[in-house]
Amino acid sequence: EDKVVQSPLSLVVHEGDTVTLNCSYEVTNFRSLLWYKQEKKAPTFLFMLTSSGIEKKSGRLSSILDKKELFSILNITATQTGDSAVYLCAVDNYGQNFVFGPGTRLSVLP
Amino acid sequence: DAGVIQSPRHEVTEMGQEVTLRCKPISGHNSLFWYRQTMMRGLELLIYFNNNVPIDDSGMPEDRFSAKMPNASFSTLKIQPSEPRDSAVYFCASTDRGTAGEQYFGPGTRLTVT
Repeated sequence: EDKVVQSPLSLVVHEGDTVTLNCSYEVTNFRSLLWYKQEKKAPTFLFMLTSSGIEKKSGRLSSILDKKELFSILNITATQTGDSAVYLCAVDNYGQNFVFGPGTRLSVLP
Repeated sequence: DAGVIQSPRHEVTEMGQEVTLRCKPISGHNSLFWYRQTMMRGLELLIYFNNNVPIDDSGMPEDRFSAKMPNASFSTLKIQPSEPRDSAVYFCASTDRGTAGEQYFGPGTRLTVT
């Protein structure tokens, strides 16, 4: 059965801290891994990763994929209160569907 | 493009009533997904369509739920009869399956069944 696991499920940090969110997966036909940020509304797209070892970066956020070990990490440096959200990892199971993980709820305290 | 459009944005109904949620995917996208999200269960895939054809509805909770996609620009998710445990946010998302692209989510419909 296709599965996406995220850890930790919940994380509380203070502004300025660096956090690493983890996503591991088992799917039958991997095409890409996607990270989304969800605040109070719909998930919004952060990154799409298709190749191992190539870091994607956007401001203080970065992500990398390891297709051999079947995981990805999302790093956020110098966290701000506006980073508080649920971060969802999803895998595009090519030709099938998107499988979402349970999400990591990040709370950044001032 | 206006993005994925969902209506209504909020729906409050009484147990036993029929509820119809609507979605207009992004023009040109050939896949459409219906999700349900609750605090307890997270984001759950209910059903998805490729080229208007339902591919996998194994996530549909029970016979009270049904979904249709009569054409490439419109889909409905119907609950009949509704129950309090159906209260959730229902998201519609679309993507172009011809490319390894992201899913674009609509704003969601917050359903409350009393």
